[in-house]
Amino acid sequence: ETGVTQTPRHLVMGMTNKKSLKCEQHLGHNAMYWYKQSAKKPLELMFVYSLEERVENNSVPSRFSPECPNSSHLFLHLHTLQPEDSALYLCASSHSQGSSYEQYFGPGTRLTVT
Amino acid sequence: GQNIDQPTEMTATEGAIVQINCTYQTSGFNGLFWYQQHAGEAPTFLSYNVLDGLEEKGRFSSFLSRSKGYSYLLLKELQMKDSASYLCAVRDINTGGFKTIFGAGTRLFVKA
Repeated sequence: ETGVTQTPRHLVMGMTNKKSLKCEQHLGHNAMYWYKQSAKKPLELMFVYSLEERVENNSVPSRFSPECPNSSHLFLHLHTLQPEDSALYLCASSHSQGSSYEQYFGPGTRLTVT
Repeated sequence: GQNIDQPTEMTATEGAIVQINCTYQTSGFNGLFWYQQHAGEAPTFLSYNVLDGLEEKGRFSSFLSRSKGYSYLLLKELQMKDSASYLCAVRDINTGGFKTIFGAGTRLFVKA
């Protein structure tokens, strides 16, 4: 347990569905991240929130919509996804001040788009 | 641009020492991380280097040379449980230092 939880752990959705991924951190961090991890590819940074403000939007298609209502919670809203969006979606958190900003990752949501 | 290179796979023997190399190119270097990721699990933080030199933490050590854009992770007294992917990641000073670029990872197989 890293102090970062994600739900659901597995999700299968059709291309016309709308779903949301949830992340919660219990570490007192004030920065949260969404990453996409596809097979044999590097972790891709999608979004970063610091103090509930989005500070990085890494050219992600608009069918992915993040939401950060407070420093402990992060959502990723999904709609009209494509099969190539099937991947492991990882949430992470870190401090936003200090020297290293090491990130603590949740267990991920395994998403399959059919 | 930004680029991180590390070997795709390595194999080593239990009890031995293995060195995993990482080279990087980035416009705004602000620290280098190593993470361990077991299959089906989340990455976990191993080490952080921002200045040149060696950082030692138990069986694991990490080295950085900023002038060469080079780092390595050294694992000593290998154990079977060290079989995992090892991710090299570089923090970019842009966006306040929140942007971290990851390599594709090196899958390490430890054999008996």
